[in-house]
Amino acid sequence: DAMVIQNPRYQVTQFGKPVTLSCSQTLNHNVMYWYQQKSSQAPKLLFHYYDKDFNNEADTPDNFQSRRPNTSFCFLDIRSPGLGDAAMYLCATSSSGDQPQHFGDGTRLSIL
Amino acid sequence: SQKIEQNSEALNIQEGKTATLTCNYTNYSPAYLQWYRQDPGRGPVFLLLIRENEKEKRKERLKVTFDTTLKQSLFHITASQPADSATYLCALPGGGYNKLIFGAGTRLAVHP
Repeated sequence: DAMVIQNPRYQVTQFGKPVTLSCSQTLNHNVMYWYQQKSSQAPKLLFHYYDKDFNNEADTPDNFQSRRPNTSFCFLDIRSPGLGDAAMYLCATSSSGDQPQHFGDGTRLSIL
Repeated sequence: SQKIEQNSEALNIQEGKTATLTCNYTNYSPAYLQWYRQDPGRGPVFLLLIRENEKEKRKERLKVTFDTTLKQSLFHITASQPADSATYLCALPGGGYNKLIFGAGTRLAVHP
């Protein structure tokens, strides 16, 4: 089945230690998104790609960066995680802006 | 700024009844609205999209209405089942092309 896959499902890192989360898709969608979701809150968009075009949200901390080396893969890098970065990180794709988004099952990030 | 409101209190209903969830929005006029289901520890799953020129949309036991005058969407699940228990998020386009703004969701619990 075509899908969005996130690895790992659970990630534990130490305060200040860089971490990378990965996302892959078999849907061949142009648009890929990274969201941060904390408990009982709305998913918050961090950034998105339209093809190779990177779009950062104004309030996304500089600590968060992303790479999209090809259509299928997208990475979220957190350079120096703080305790406040503990959250679920969701990757999503869509074929275009007004189409439904397809989500992976997320990576739950814990900071020690 | 654009704002989406969903009832933060959980909705508890008896199996077989109709569940009705509300999504209110302010400060804009979206061309469409989407509903997603999110289970604990999982990513959101797209359910329905309704456009501004559609008053109502149905899919199996699901029905969505969109009142652009009231700035409100209602999401109904008829003949509800315990398996329908989840958090339901509404989402509207906002902040630029290719982007959605999500509500925080309403948790539905269907009791046998």
